[in-house]
Amino acid sequence: EPEVTQTPSHQVTQMGQEVILRCVPISNHLYFYWYRQILGQKVEFLVSFYNNEISEKSEIFDDQFSVERPDGSNFTLKIRSTKLEDSAMYFCASSRDSTDLVTQYFGPGTRLLVL
Amino acid sequence: KNEVEQSPQNLTAQEGEFITINCSYSVGISALHWLQQHPGGGIVSLFMLSSGKKKHGRLIATINIQEKHSSLHITASHPRDSAVYICAPRAGAQKLVFGQGTRLTINP
Repeated sequence: EPEVTQTPSHQVTQMGQEVILRCVPISNHLYFYWYRQILGQKVEFLVSFYNNEISEKSEIFDDQFSVERPDGSNFTLKIRSTKLEDSAMYFCASSRDSTDLVTQYFGPGTRLLVL
Repeated sequence: KNEVEQSPQNLTAQEGEFITINCSYSVGISALHWLQQHPGGGIVSLFMLSSGKKKHGRLIATINIQEKHSSLHITASHPRDSAVYICAPRAGAQKLVFGQGTRLTINP
């Protein structure tokens, strides 16, 4: 069964460093998402992406964050200058389209620790 | 006030029991996800529904759009059902708003 993959599974970085989290969505999917979950808290929506542009973003997704689909398969989340509070599990998801009853498929997550 | 409230927050039951997890939401939605998060953190989508009831194996999900309420039921619960169950209404074009989750533990 096709699945969403994410790399790396874990990343440790120093505060102020740039990180790029990578995702490979399911191949025929057109909508891509990033979510984050701070330890012990609920999952939060960051951004959705379609047709090479952001279609919706949350207030969390400020200028420090950017997303890109650099080629036909990868979908990346970049955090320009990491802060301690960026430490979280980051989940990528994809869906075939955006109609009501289409499932979003989640990747296994990247656990980011900012020191 | 949270946009999505789940109850209970924690639930421990014996194998074989019938489980109900409730979700009330205040955001306007077109559909609602029920998700399962395993201890390792991975998230699996169980259901996406916009009306009525859906069944998949031992899992049943219902939704009442007018009352802004959804329930997830597990029949004949098993220790492998132990996980965090998350309700996530769809509140934008694609945006999901997540509940805090219900931690379910099924003892053998």
